[in-house]
Amino acid sequence: EAGVTQSPTHLIKTRGQQVTLRCSPISGHTSVYWYQQALGLGLQFLLWYDEGEERNRGNFPPRFSGRQFPNYSSELNVNALELEDSALYLCASSRPNSYEQYFGPGTRLTVT
Amino acid sequence: RKEVEQDPGPFNVPEGATVAFNCTYSNSASQSFFWYRQDCRKEPKLLMSVYSSGNEDGRFTAQLNRASQYISLLIRDSKLSDSATYLCVVNIRTNAGKSTFGDGTTLTVKP
Repeated sequence: EAGVTQSPTHLIKTRGQQVTLRCSPISGHTSVYWYQQALGLGLQFLLWYDEGEERNRGNFPPRFSGRQFPNYSSELNVNALELEDSALYLCASSRPNSYEQYFGPGTRLTVT
Repeated sequence: RKEVEQDPGPFNVPEGATVAFNCTYSNSASQSFFWYRQDCRKEPKLLMSVYSSGNEDGRFTAQLNRASQYISLLIRDSKLSDSATYLCVVNIRTNAGKSTFGDGTTLTVKP
């Protein structure tokens, strides 16, 4: 069974630009979660999508947004990038009615 | 006070040792509990869910104490490959889907 996949693996952007990160969940999983992990810090919850709807959101500004597609894949968009947005962005998925989350390898974003 | 707190360590133990980590949570409405391991610059991997009755998977035992609001992870017969950061995760019933991760406890197993 294929795991959660994310693209791209690495990304370098400059301040003020916009970025889109992509995530494909494990087959049969309907929920997708996004997390931010700055270097040396813990995981911060960003967004939860389930069945195409945004179900919950962490304490992040509106320039962090996303969506989930009918095939359950998801995108995370970050507008007006700031230096402190540099981090590992992790996507996870889970089966219906389960909070056991399985993570993808992440996208490492560097903002210069 | 953080919603989920872990002793950051590091815990440095010799191979074969038994080591235990605790994780405390502040919200009594917490519903689901998990342990993950994360290797340096890698994604977290689910180690085990924590059930009210406790559960065991090989050398790993997880327990939940709702009265004192903590979960624990016991690792017996530590291996070099157990070296990692261990994250506890809590889901709160009233805030479905928002998992709160502890900052992790770092374990180093030495020969």
